[in-house]
This record gives sequence, C-alpha cells and structure tokens, in this order.
Amino acid sequence: DGGITQSPKYLFRKEGQNVTLSCEQNLNHDAMYWYRQDPGQGLRLIYYSQIVNDFQKGDIAEGYSVSREKKESFPLTVTSAQKNPTAFYLCASSSPGQQFGKLFFGSGTQLSVL
Amino acid sequence: AQKVTQAQTEISVVEKEDVTLDCVYETRDTTYYLFWYKQPPSGELVFLIRRNSFDEQNEISGRYSWNFQKSTSSFNFTITASQVVDSAVYFCALRPASGGSYIPTFGRGTSLIVHP
Repeated sequence: DGGITQSPKYLFRKEGQNVTLSCEQNLNHDAMYWYRQDPGQGLRLIYYSQIVNDFQKGDIAEGYSVSREKKESFPLTVTSAQKNPTAFYLCASSSPGQQFGKLFFGSGTQLSVL
Repeated sequence: AQKVTQAQTEISVVEKEDVTLDCVYETRDTTYYLFWYKQPPSGELVFLIRRNSFDEQNEISGRYSWNFQKSTSSFNFTITASQVVDSAVYFCALRPASGGSYIPTFGRGTSLIVHP
C-alpha cells in the first residue's frame, strides 16, 4: 500500500544532542512537508520541498535542518539550537495531479526532551 | 497573507447530537482550495474534503456536510447524529490555487469530544 512512513514513533533527545526524524513516501509525490504540532497551536510549517535537491524554510525553521537527496525521503534534523523541541512532528506529501492540494500525512513522531 | 480561524477550541457533545465546526478564512487570492482534515487519537491527519473557491455548492457525505459561503469567507463542517468515533481534532486549511508556493495554511484545530 502506498503511503508515508515516519519513524520512530517516539524519540527522546538529550541536552545538546541532534536527532533525526525519518520520513519516507512511496506515493511518487514531488512535494514534501514537515509540520510541528503543539497543543492548541495547530500545525506550523518547518520546512518544505517541492522537488529533489531543493527545499525552503517554513514559518519556524530555526533550529531545524532538512535534506532532500531522494524523491522518497525527507529527513528532519532537530539540532541542539532548537531549545524547545518537545512536540509532535508530522510529515506530509502532495502531488499536483488529480488530487491537487490534498496532503497525505504520516502517523507522526513524538519528540521529548530527557 | 492567508489566515484560517477556528474559533472553537473544544466542543463536547453527547452521542447523536448534531455539531457544527466553524472555519473562517482570509485570503487575497481569487482562486483557492479549502480543506478539512480529521486527526484521530492515533495522530495521522486524514483528508475529509476539498472545495474549490469557484464552487459554492454545499456537499453532503453520509453524516458529514459542508457549508461553503464565499460572502462570509466561511467553510463550516457539520456532523449529524455524532458518534463516539467522531471524537478527534478537526483542522480546516486553505491553499492558493495558483501562483506562489501552494503552501497550505492550517487553522489551530477544533477538538471534538463525543460522549456515549
């Protein structure tokens, strides 16, 4: 079945540590997105990529980094510069085809600080 | 700039009640798409509906219905005869249909709790 796979489901970060959240899709979508969800804050865009080897900052990119070396993969690194990383992270993808505009989401990664 | 407002933070109803989730948006784009997504406790957002800005017909799908009114910039979502399985966080979103980066803007979500 096609879809988006995020791993791990739960992740713990120690002080000063960088951690990487995985996002893989087999939908053949060009665009991929990372959102951060905090209680009562809705979804806030961290980074997005509309094509391989290209990505753009979203509204809250500080303290995060991404790469898009393959169409299927869009990993997110939470760096030590992100002082408040505890949140639920969602990866999504979309296609400009018939379902233009519709986002497909992964099941999320809950990141907590030890 | 785009903005989506979901003024209702949390709604609590008893099973079989009807419930309406409000969504008001702001945009300067003449063409755009509006969406509703459901986020059950498992965490993954599930697409419910997409509406084009030039199509103001209301839509019904089973117990779900959507009322799009361009004059008031609203895209409200009604669940008829609610069920416990409807308990989730519901997000309204807006996305330009042309130009720009096609990045969707989400509201803060409305948490719906349906009690048995």
